[in-house]
Amino acid sequence: DTGVSQDPRHKITKRGQNVTFRCDPISEHNRLYWYRQTLGQGPEFLTYFQNEAQLEKSRLLSDRFSAERPKGSFSTLEIQRTEQGDSAMYLCASSLTGAQGYTFGSGTRLTVV
Amino acid sequence: AQKVTQAQTEISVVEKEDVTLDCVYETRDTTYYLFWYKQPPSGELVFLIRRNSFDEQNEISGRYSWNFQKSTSSFNFTITASQVVDSAVYFCALSENYGGSQGNLIFGKGTKLSVKP
Repeated sequence: DTGVSQDPRHKITKRGQNVTFRCDPISEHNRLYWYRQTLGQGPEFLTYFQNEAQLEKSRLLSDRFSAERPKGSFSTLEIQRTEQGDSAMYLCASSLTGAQGYTFGSGTRLTVV
Repeated sequence: AQKVTQAQTEISVVEKEDVTLDCVYETRDTTYYLFWYKQPPSGELVFLIRRNSFDEQNEISGRYSWNFQKSTSSFNFTITASQVVDSAVYFCALSENYGGSQGNLIFGKGTKLSVKP
């Protein structure tokens, strides 16, 4: 197992376009999290899945954001009608219930121009 | 509300110096978890340690040590004999208890450590 994979690593998009990111967690991990990190800040929680169920969403997750985790495996995060304020690093993490810590992916850096 | 404060924005030391990174947290929960993560320039967050609120024992792992003090709501991290490879941004984080395991993480703003040769 190679850890948590995120694709793409970098994405540049024009304002108003839609973008989708993918996260492949560690295969046996039942929990999956999305975080957003802007420059000079710590990561901020966006949403959380336990298996295929989306159990929690942050108020940061506006209506333009949607996340899915079909079949409890990989997850996608879509941003519709991107805005310049969406420019950030989007991090995915996975864990096992009761486990020590989370394993983070390398992130997808989004730049909206 | 839960909050993590890392008052040191940037620290610069010379190799082989010891350095302590401060972390102060706020929570109303009686059961919670505290974490430290390292973020090197590559961007990936690397897990260093997790502590639960009932375990106040200090921990040492090689050159790393952690001092958890509930009385002052602090969870400080010390690197002994720092090395250039320790240069990174270090994040302290807090999570509440979700049915016996950790929930989502609340991060501090991070401390950027630069270790010069």
